[in-house]
Amino acid sequence: GAGVSQSPSNKVTEKGKDVELRCDPISGHTALYWYRQSLGQGLEFLIYFQGNSAPDKSGLPSDRFSAERTGGSVSTLTIQRTQQEDSAVYLCASRGLAGDWSYNEQFFGPGTRLTVL
Amino acid sequence: AQTVTQSQPEMSVQEAETVTLSCTYDTSESDYYLFWYKQPPSRQMILVIRQEAYKQQNATENRFSVNFQKAAKSFSLKISDSQLGDAAMYFCAYRAGGGADGLTFGKGTHLIIQP
Repeated sequence: GAGVSQSPSNKVTEKGKDVELRCDPISGHTALYWYRQSLGQGLEFLIYFQGNSAPDKSGLPSDRFSAERTGGSVSTLTIQRTQQEDSAVYLCASRGLAGDWSYNEQFFGPGTRLTVL
Repeated sequence: AQTVTQSQPEMSVQEAETVTLSCTYDTSESDYYLFWYKQPPSRQMILVIRQEAYKQQNATENRFSVNFQKAAKSFSLKISDSQLGDAAMYFCAYRAGGGADGLTFGKGTHLIIQP
């Protein structure tokens, strides 16, 4: 794959339902980031994965948010019991290995627009 | 904590003219990176230009250049010969050195190009 892909592109859900958002990073990239972009808060860092290390969850806004990264590649962001304030665009980015030309740049996917009714 | 401030919510420029977008940041780190990202309506964040804090020389990429004032903690983006395709949201972003941290973004500047 040429770039970071995310699915679905758009998701509409009802308040209280759980949602899963998927991110496929660039092949070979070991670092993966999730961000949230909302009108009120702008762009916020959520969580960071690096290889097999424990993820940096310091940006997750509540315990309703969780993320996994299986096999060091695909990542899933899960939001449980969604609230209207969770409505936002969720962006994923990946970054290459130290020493790689892409190490200092994060490559972003097109995002998933989540609407909670 | 690091903060990034973009004081111009919206800017407008005539096609072929030059425009400068402002960004200031606050950090106690000595090793860090600064970025300008462009986000068109498609939502795809595209890296425009990057500046390493240890480099005194301002970064340039074709029509895009920065004015990096480390002591003043200022990082402005200059777009020369503005084109209609430059219309987008522009975000200034900060990352501490080492590569691991997530980016800290400013609120963005909406750039309008008048034909």
